[in-house]
Amino acid sequence: DGGITQSPKYLFRKEGQNVTLSCEQNLNHDAMYWYRQDPGQGLRLIYYSQIVNDFQKGDIAEGYSVSREKKESFPLTVTSAQKNPTAFYLCASSMGQVTGELFFGEGSRLTVL
Amino acid sequence: AQSVTQPDIHITVSEGASLELRCNYSYGATPYLFWYVQSPGQGLQLLLKYFSGDTLVQGIKGFEAEFKRSQSSFNLRKPSVHWSDAAEYFCAVGEQAGTALIFGKGTTLSVSS
Repeated sequence: DGGITQSPKYLFRKEGQNVTLSCEQNLNHDAMYWYRQDPGQGLRLIYYSQIVNDFQKGDIAEGYSVSREKKESFPLTVTSAQKNPTAFYLCASSMGQVTGELFFGEGSRLTVL
Repeated sequence: AQSVTQPDIHITVSEGASLELRCNYSYGATPYLFWYVQSPGQGLQLLLKYFSGDTLVQGIKGFEAEFKRSQSSFNLRKPSVHWSDAAEYFCAVGEQAGTALIFGKGTTLSVSS
């Protein structure tokens, strides 16, 4: 079945450590996105990529980094520079170019102790 | 800049009663409009979308939404709510040029018996 796979679903890390969240899609979508979700804040855009080897910052990119070396993969690294990294992270993909619906993964919950 | 407002943070509806969730957007041209639903700890599922044409849009699970340009609104409705509809609902807007979606902060729906 086609879809988006995020891993791990739950992740615990100590303060000051970098962590990488995986996002893989087999929908053959061009565009991929990372959102952060906090209670009462909705979804806020971290980074997005419309094509391989290219990505743009979203509204809250500080403290995060991404890469897009393959069409299927868009990993997100939460660096030690991110001041409040505990959150629910959602990866999504779409056909790109013309904004269409986003397809979401199941999310990864990061807790920094 | 685009923005989405969902005025109601939390709504409680009796099972079998009708439902209307409000969404207002700010955007100069005709936007792409979406409603998504999220169960706790899960990703988001698309309920319906509006790109152009008929302003009354039908979606999955018996939901519908009406685009009203004069009011900059895209309210979600359901004639008879089921207990399984309890979830968080997000309205989102996108540009036609092709960028990421902007999400509202969400409305949590509780269903009472």
